Amino acid sequence: RKEVEQDPGPFNVPEGATVAFNCTYSNSASQSFFWYRQDCRKEPKLLMSVYSSGNEDGRFTAQLNRASQYISLLIRDSKLSDSATYLCVVKQGNTGGFKTIFGAGTRLFVKA
Amino acid sequence: NAGVMQNPRHLVRRRGQEARLRCSPMKGHSHVYWYRQLPEEGLKFMVYLQKENIIDESGMPKERFSAEFPKEGPSILRIQQVVRGDSAAYFCASSPEYGYTFGSGTRLTVV
Repeated sequence: RKEVEQDPGPFNVPEGATVAFNCTYSNSASQSFFWYRQDCRKEPKLLMSVYSSGNEDGRFTAQLNRASQYISLLIRDSKLSDSATYLCVVKQGNTGGFKTIFGAGTRLFVKA
Repeated sequence: NAGVMQNPRHLVRRRGQEARLRCSPMKGHSHVYWYRQLPEEGLKFMVYLQKENIIDESGMPKERFSAEFPKEGPSILRIQQVVRGDSAAYFCASSPEYGYTFGSGTRLTVV
């Protein structure tokens, strides 16, 4: 089983749609969680951190469910510019050392 | 703050040659991480370095690959005797306590 698993997609949605991505992680001791966005042939960029209480940034909402070991990202009112690959990222470890694991990403295509 | 700087952006090497990839972290960051991304795949951790120290190289292939981060100058990822399978995007990142900032990557093509 992969340490971080995502549905690779692609998700093809029309503009204005709401789309949700899920990500599961295997290590229950994981501590920090993030969503990154990667455009084609570009570097990944931090989209948002994920907290147990859930957090929202404009049209984007991230949630963490520690009991079920999954993370979600919800995008409302999709824009063409949201087309990208979304990477789930999990950070494990303590002061002795951290390990950061990237999911393989979920592709999103938003169509006009 | 110029961000994480990687060069070259594109590198073409013939099989058997050496490839040197450079990374300068963000100002004030002394931790550097190297990742490799094969076409249509996710990012794979390679190595984590601090100045003059390799902290974690668990993702580095056992042969032909090496990395350093000297006291002065950029971090270098070195690939000796490149093969076609080394063709990939190599990203460097520096890290504050939470979240990475990535450089724009070096795309290595082995012909």
